[in-house]
Amino acid sequence: SQQGEEDPQALSIQEGENATMNCSYKTSINNLQWYRQNSGRGLVHLILIRSNEREKHSGRLRVTLDTSKKSSSLLITASRAADTASYFCATPDSNYQLIWGAGTKLIIKP
Amino acid sequence: GAGVSQTPSNKVTEKGKYVELRCDPISGHTALYWYRQSLGQGPEFLIYFQGTGAADDSGLPNDRFFAVRPEGSVSTLKIQRTERGDSAVYLCASSLAGGLNEQFFGPGTRLTVL
Repeated sequence: SQQGEEDPQALSIQEGENATMNCSYKTSINNLQWYRQNSGRGLVHLILIRSNEREKHSGRLRVTLDTSKKSSSLLITASRAADTASYFCATPDSNYQLIWGAGTKLIIKP
Repeated sequence: GAGVSQTPSNKVTEKGKYVELRCDPISGHTALYWYRQSLGQGPEFLIYFQGTGAADDSGLPNDRFFAVRPEGSVSTLKIQRTERGDSAVYLCASSLAGGLNEQFFGPGTRLTVL
């Protein structure tokens, strides 16, 4: 089963532009995590935002969380070609297992 | 230190055969997870080990799937009588102590069942 639903499913932007991806989830959460997956490589943890936080920054990444709307957004500023990847949100269930969305495929055009 | 490693990186097998997929977690990580990822989808939880024991195997799709972690480090995912629908990337992750700790993923094993 999937908890998170990312949108858009795919996003193509020019290098240097900002990219915004959204994630909606269904049940109450303790935290929400964003991961990146490059083609042919494993998942890399980007950022974790707790349910009592509204915004978190890490380098060029900005994550927001709106628990009233059960949604989160990931903003990548000043995108680079190396940001081309699939981005997933994941939330832990009652057994602490991560439940994942289907991901947003981001393409940065040079 | 070294990250999570998985072998083989690719495995092609015929329908009905038995396969074993190996995961080497980060040293000192007591929690180990197996996921399966189909094309265009997010990972799907299979099983979680805390130490040597399977703390949660609720994600295993059927009794053809089995996993072990006999010494609390390396884990092997075993699939019997493989079916074409088992084709996917099998991901392994480890974390320091399970629970809500960050999970570190290996590169995965791409399994293709012909």
